[in-house]
Amino acid sequence: NAGVTQTPKFQVLKTGQSMTLQCAQDMNHEYMSWYRQDPGMGLRLIHYSVGAGITDQGEVPNGYNVSRSTTEDFPLRLLSAAPSQTSVYFCASSPQLLGNTEAFFGQGTRLTVV
Amino acid sequence: GNSVTQMEGPVTLSEEAFLTINCTYTATGYPSLFWYVQYPGEGLQLLLKATKADDKGSNKGFEATYRKETTSFHLEKGSVQVSDSAVYFCALSAPDAGGTSYGKLTFGQGTILTVHP
Repeated sequence: NAGVTQTPKFQVLKTGQSMTLQCAQDMNHEYMSWYRQDPGMGLRLIHYSVGAGITDQGEVPNGYNVSRSTTEDFPLRLLSAAPSQTSVYFCASSPQLLGNTEAFFGQGTRLTVV
Repeated sequence: GNSVTQMEGPVTLSEEAFLTINCTYTATGYPSLFWYVQYPGEGLQLLLKATKADDKGSNKGFEATYRKETTSFHLEKGSVQVSDSAVYFCALSAPDAGGTSYGKLTFGQGTILTVHP
């Protein structure tokens, strides 16, 4: 009963380094998304995907890339890490249903950029 | 655009006290409303939801009523426990003209609740 799985759980990067945050879901959900959580600001949407091969920008996309080659996986790439990207990152998935439905979240990745 | 405003925190209560966390929203269309909870060191879990006006969501003793006239979705619990200590997020999901929300959520800033024995 895995749900949404994120790896790694913790990561420290140096400024300018690149890395990929992994996200996988086993619920056959069409919709997947990435959020960042910062103190006092709630969660903000970075990128989302409505299906394999289709992605779009959210509220705070700069400095991040995504791709969706399969239904299950939705990796988030940091191209050149900056201290402003220190945050907790959450991946979420939702089923493709008309009307509104909830999102299911992973456990999060805590990223520190020094 | 869409936005969610939660009451300023943190909130500190004694066990068995009454809890209210205020949440108001602005949205285009007709959103669904959610309360998520984040326990220390964990991800977000759905606590309750409501999808239309006057709906009441409830779970684990928590309740919230979708009030369209006041654009509010306040969270309440009659008697809190130490185990309720967590961060609570109000959120909305607003559909496009075709009725699809793509699972995109707009969150409030979160309210830290600490309950003492």
